[in-house]
Amino acid sequence: QVQLVQSGAEVKKPGASVKVSCKASGYTFTGYYMHWVRQAPGQGLEWMGWINPNSGGTNYAQKFQGRVTMTRDTSISTAYMELSRLRSDDTAVYYCARVGDCSSTSCYILDYWGQGTLVTVSS
Amino acid sequence: QSALTQPRSVSGSPGQSVTISCTGTSSDVGGYNYVSWYQQHPGKAPKLMIYDVSKRPSGVPDRFSGSKSGNTASLTISGLQAEDEADYYCYSYAGNFYVFGTGTKVTVL
Repeated sequence: QVQLVQSGAEVKKPGASVKVSCKASGYTFTGYYMHWVRQAPGQGLEWMGWINPNSGGTNYAQKFQGRVTMTRDTSISTAYMELSRLRSDDTAVYYCARVGDCSSTSCYILDYWGQGTLVTVSS
Repeated sequence: QSALTQPRSVSGSPGQSVTISCTGTSSDVGGYNYVSWYQQHPGKAPKLMIYDVSKRPSGVPDRFSGSKSGNTASLTISGLQAEDEADYYCYSYAGNFYVFGTGTKVTVL
């Protein structure tokens, strides 16, 4: 069965960087784009961008351009999201989510989600 | 890349129907038939309920249905049940980018 297991909670100071990992299992890692979504406390979902694990190609939401870097290590089926120059309003739960299967459902959905990683930015 | 607009909250009694709207632009909701809806219970990851405007994934009750007209998509929950109380988000493709709705809290009275 498909599983996405994320790294544990982090506490960071303003100006620092954080790198969250997302280990995939139960499917061919390079066959499906991986998206990253965040949710600030009590707030809604916010799309951050995606990575193509096959090519390493990325596409980031305009809001995060220049501060976010998404990478992957295909040898261990793991995707990473690094956010730099952290501010207090970056405090949020960060989710990785796999896109759907184009042949059975849709390429334009997020059908499997990680458990979320809480990143707290505080001085 | 502005968030899609949803009502902050909707409510209904068990057995009633509620409809949640999701308003975007011709660059996202209106431009593609790639709107999906997610249910999120407190402390949990979102769960896909509707995709490609009106399709239901396997395992989602047929009480959930979706539609779209112009730049506005809608999610209808018929025969409301206690377990439907949750936050709901629309999500749309916007030409190589994606955008979520602002979220709607559904309360079962």
